[in-house]
Amino acid sequence: ETGVTQTPRHLVMGMTNKKSLKCEQHLGHNAMYWYKQSAKKPLELMFVYNFKEQTENNSVPSRFSPECPNSSHLFLHLHTLQPEDSALYLCASSQVQGYGGYTFGSGTRLTVV
Amino acid sequence: QQQVKQSPQSLIVQKGGISIINCAYENTAFDYFPWYQQFPGKGPALLIAIRPDVSEKKEGRFTISFNKSAKQFSLHIMDSQPGDSATYFCAASKRDDKIIFGKGTRLHILP
Repeated sequence: ETGVTQTPRHLVMGMTNKKSLKCEQHLGHNAMYWYKQSAKKPLELMFVYNFKEQTENNSVPSRFSPECPNSSHLFLHLHTLQPEDSALYLCASSQVQGYGGYTFGSGTRLTVV
Repeated sequence: QQQVKQSPQSLIVQKGGISIINCAYENTAFDYFPWYQQFPGKGPALLIAIRPDVSEKKEGRFTISFNKSAKQFSLHIMDSQPGDSATYFCAASKRDDKIIFGKGTRLHILP
């Protein structure tokens, strides 16, 4: 384990479902990130939180809704997704935004049917 | 100016050989250059990183070479092993900003 835990590891959902991805870190980090990784595509930054405040939304469709209740937890709420949203969703954390490297979780493999 | 260009997309190396992955950047404000290693089914993991005040950093079989004037940096894996087969991402960032990742290189080491 890297210190960043993501649940669930795998998720299959229908296009009309509502589900949430969870990320938890106990590294004492204050910045957290959501990334999307599709097959044969680069890492796509979705959202950035620094000290619980959202500092970046990378033009992500509103069917993805992030939530950061505290510096240790990050959620990604999903609703009415499309099949092209199927991907590996990665959470990462860092000490603060813009300092040092990121620690990634193992990701949630999402399949939208 | 925010891009980090990585090459090659894929690389096949014989066991015991040297694997070399190259990256180039434009933004001279970048001051942190990490490399990440990702195995299938796992998230990327920080492998090694360098700051622009040094030209080389070595950790075990992994070496970053950094050329500030050319705005290029590279990862060298000496004595490459089948266990090194993974996807490698170079990246760059500047203070108070997010990390910009390259598109990745799929490395396969032949046994």
